[in-house]
Amino acid sequence: DQQVKQNSPSLSVQEGRISILNCDYTNSMFDYFLWYKKYPAEGPTFLISISSIKDKNEDGRFTVFLNKSAKHLSLHIVPSQPGDSAVYFCAAREGANSKLTFGKGITLSVRP
Amino acid sequence: DTGVSQNPRHKITKRGQNVTFRCDPISEHNRLYWYRQTLGQGPEFLTYFQNEAQLEKSRLLSDRFSAERPKGSFSTLEIQRTEQGDSAMYLCASSFRKRGPSYEQYFGPGTRLTVT
Repeated sequence: DQQVKQNSPSLSVQEGRISILNCDYTNSMFDYFLWYKKYPAEGPTFLISISSIKDKNEDGRFTVFLNKSAKHLSLHIVPSQPGDSAVYFCAAREGANSKLTFGKGITLSVRP
Repeated sequence: DTGVSQNPRHKITKRGQNVTFRCDPISEHNRLYWYRQTLGQGPEFLTYFQNEAQLEKSRLLSDRFSAERPKGSFSTLEIQRTEQGDSAMYLCASSFRKRGPSYEQYFGPGTRLTVT
């Protein structure tokens, strides 16, 4: 059972426009959510996170929104740059249990 | 470089052989995690340590897998009698935990295992 779902396998956007990456989860016990970015042949790189007590967290060009009632979060990248082209993973953690549960990832391509 | 390091980066082995991977976490991090990633999937949790204590193991970690962190610093993951289904990227991550939930996990570059 996939507790963290990234239903779109890929997304292509024009440079300078907004990229919106979506993630849904089924486990209501998840209380902390993270986004990781991964380039080929490298490990995932931490990008941004949000606690379940918040609905928005912003860091530069990256903003994560959390809708707990819908069990949905999204990552907004504004403006998108070609260097943002990578695989993005949504991950979640349950309480004091610190292991992460990941989605399958979404491949973002930013066209110059 | 003070990030998480993993060795080797690539390993090709024949079915039935044993392999061992090493992970060196960020120096002040007291938690260390192992994940496995196969093609088209996100990383899947295998096990984690707080200092030298192994606190949780996934059901994915069969009896052929063993992990150690003898002095609470580096960790090793050994796979005995490898099978073709063990072919994957093995990722190590570390984090620092004070009171309350642990902080974000930082990943190493991974070890890609190919079992022929």
